[in-house]
Amino acid sequence: DIQMTQSPSSLSASIGDRVTITCRASQGIRNALAWFQQKPGKAPKSLIYATSTLQSGVPSRFSGAGSGTDFTLTITSLQPEDFATYYCQQYNIFPLTFGGGTKVEIQ
Amino acid sequence: EVQLLESGGGLVQPGGSLRLSCAASGFNLGTYWMTWVRQAPGKGLEWVANIKQDGSQKYYVDSVKGRFTISRDNAKNSLYLQMDSLRVEDTALYYCARSHVVDIWGQGTMVIVSS
Repeated sequence: DIQMTQSPSSLSASIGDRVTITCRASQGIRNALAWFQQKPGKAPKSLIYATSTLQSGVPSRFSGAGSGTDFTLTITSLQPEDFATYYCQQYNIFPLTFGGGTKVEIQ
Repeated sequence: EVQLLESGGGLVQPGGSLRLSCAASGFNLGTYWMTWVRQAPGKGLEWVANIKQDGSQKYYVDSVKGRFTISRDNAKNSLYLQMDSLRVEDTALYYCARSHVVDIWGQGTMVIVSS
C-alpha cells in the first residue's frame, strides 16, 4: 500500500499569512493527488485534484503543486474561513490512501 | 442541486450487520465511480471501498475485505454498503462520495459498534 505522509501535523498562522502543507507518497503516484478541507463537525470538501486542478468554486488563493512523490498545498493570504484540517489523498493505485491530516489553527 | 444523502447508520453489537444507503440527486449516479470513506471519532479519513459505474469492479481496504460489500442500483440512483461481522473498530462516520477522484461528499451516517 502507498503511505501518504503529511507535514506538519498542525500549524498556527495568522490572517493574511502564506501557508504551505507538504504531502509525501511512499512511492510515485504520477499526478494522482487530491486535497480536501474539513471543518469541525462538517463533511470534507474537495479542493484540488490531479495535483493542481481546483475543483469548481474553490478560491484561487488555494494552489497545488508537485509530482511523483512530493506534493504541496499552498494557501496564499490565509482567510478566517480557511482554518480547518487538510488531507491529501492518492488515487493512483488501490487501496486509495489519505494522509494523516494537517490542522491549520489561528495564531 | 447535486447531493448525496446517506442513511442506515446506528448502534449495533459486535458481530452484527448494517446496510448503509446513499441516495444521489441532481446527477446520474450511473455515470460515476462511487466511494465510501469513513472517519473514526477524532481521527482522520480512511478510504473504505470503490465501485465502478456498472458494478463490474470493486475495491476494498484490507480491514473490511470479506466483511463489507459495496453495491449500487443505478436505476434507483443509489449506492449501498452492506457491513457484516462488525467490529468495535468499525465505529465511524461513513461518507458516501462521488467518483474515485472525489468531488462531492455526503453528510455522513454514524455507525457505532458496541456491546
